Amino acid sequence: SQTIHQWPATLVQPVGSPLSLECTVEGTSNPNLYWYRQAAGRGLQLLFYSVGIGQISSEVPQNLSASRPQDRQFILSSKKLLLSDSGFYLCAFGLAGKISQETQYFGPGTRLLVL
Amino acid sequence: GQQVMQIPQYQHVQEGEDFTTYCNSSTTLSNIQWYKQRPGGHPVFLIQLVKSGEVKKQKRLTFQFGEAKKNSSLHITATQTTDVGTYFCAGIDYKLSFGAGTTVTVRA
Repeated sequence: SQTIHQWPATLVQPVGSPLSLECTVEGTSNPNLYWYRQAAGRGLQLLFYSVGIGQISSEVPQNLSASRPQDRQFILSSKKLLLSDSGFYLCAFGLAGKISQETQYFGPGTRLLVL
Repeated sequence: GQQVMQIPQYQHVQEGEDFTTYCNSSTTLSNIQWYKQRPGGHPVFLIQLVKSGEVKKQKRLTFQFGEAKKNSSLHITATQTTDVGTYFCAGIDYKLSFGAGTTVTVRA
């Protein structure tokens, strides 16, 4: 069966510091991968998705970036964090091949607080 | 672009009562999914509806997809404390777009 891991689970960072969040998937190959942000008490905002190694689509312009250096690894980064970057970051994967048809399986998330 | 709206944003329910949450899209959807997020947890897939007018049941939960494939509803009967959480609908035209969710609290 497939599993998805995210780390760290929680993170407190000062404004202006860099960020690197990692997500890995096990038990499958060539999954579609997603990064979402959820602000406190809010819905899910899709940030990036990837259909393959090195292929990144950005949904919202911002100071975040994503990379997929390996098939089952998805990284969310920032060079300089803003206060507004605080939130709950969720990685997800899908297996259907077609983004328009697949169920998404979410990781446990990373809670980021920028001070 | 596609927008998915959910109402109500908050639902406070007496244990044992029924309630319904609604999901509306600005565009016709190819299918719709529902997810549940427990407090402090991550979203978990509940169900997918594909056909116009489709109705699916999971125990006390009834999911419906509108005839025009632009809206959906989740009806929970005999609410229990285990139903606490946020329920998201996610509509699909070319990709998945999540609604803001309905956060459910239950008073015993």
